[in-house]
Amino acid sequence: SQTIHQWPATLVQPVGSPLSLECTVEGTSNPNLYWYRQAAGRGLQLLFYSVGIGQISSEVPQNLSASRPQDRQFILSSKKLLLSDSGFYLCAWGLAGAETQYFGPGTRLLVL
Amino acid sequence: SQQGEEDPQALSIQEGENATMNCSYKTSINNLQWYRQNSGRGLVHLILIRSNEREKHSGRLRVTLDTSKKSSSLLITASRAADTASYFCATVKAAGNKLTFGGGTRVLVKP
Repeated sequence: SQTIHQWPATLVQPVGSPLSLECTVEGTSNPNLYWYRQAAGRGLQLLFYSVGIGQISSEVPQNLSASRPQDRQFILSSKKLLLSDSGFYLCAWGLAGAETQYFGPGTRLLVL
Repeated sequence: SQQGEEDPQALSIQEGENATMNCSYKTSINNLQWYRQNSGRGLVHLILIRSNEREKHSGRLRVTLDTSKKSSSLLITASRAADTASYFCATVKAAGNKLTFGGGTRVLVKP
């Protein structure tokens, strides 16, 4: 069966520090991968998605970037965090051509 | 921008009652999905309804879709305390395309 992992679960970072959040998927090959951000009490905003290694599409211009160095690994990064980067970050995967997505447990990021 | 907007934003009911929430969207879609999110957790897929379907059931869940009104509803029958969660609708404009989420409905089921 497929599983998706995210770490860390919680992160407190100072403004201006770098960020690296990791997401890995097990039990499937060549998945579509997604990064979302969720503000408190709100819906999900799609940040990035990837249909293959090295292929990244950005949905919203911002302070963040994403990379997919391996088939089942998706990384969300920032060189310098802003206060507005605080939120709940969710990684998801889906089969190519299918619409249903499967979500990881999320990372709660607080930038102070 | 959000494609789907849920109504109400919050709902409080007693265990055993039915919970109904609605989702409206703006553009034509290929399918609409409902997800549940327990507090502080990831989302779990509940049900998918395609644009050529009008109603779908899964256990205690019933979803309807009215493409003429660009709206969908999710009914949870005989609610349980464990149904306490936020529920999100998400639309897909074209097959294999991305999900666009609404703002969610927070449901509290009191024992």
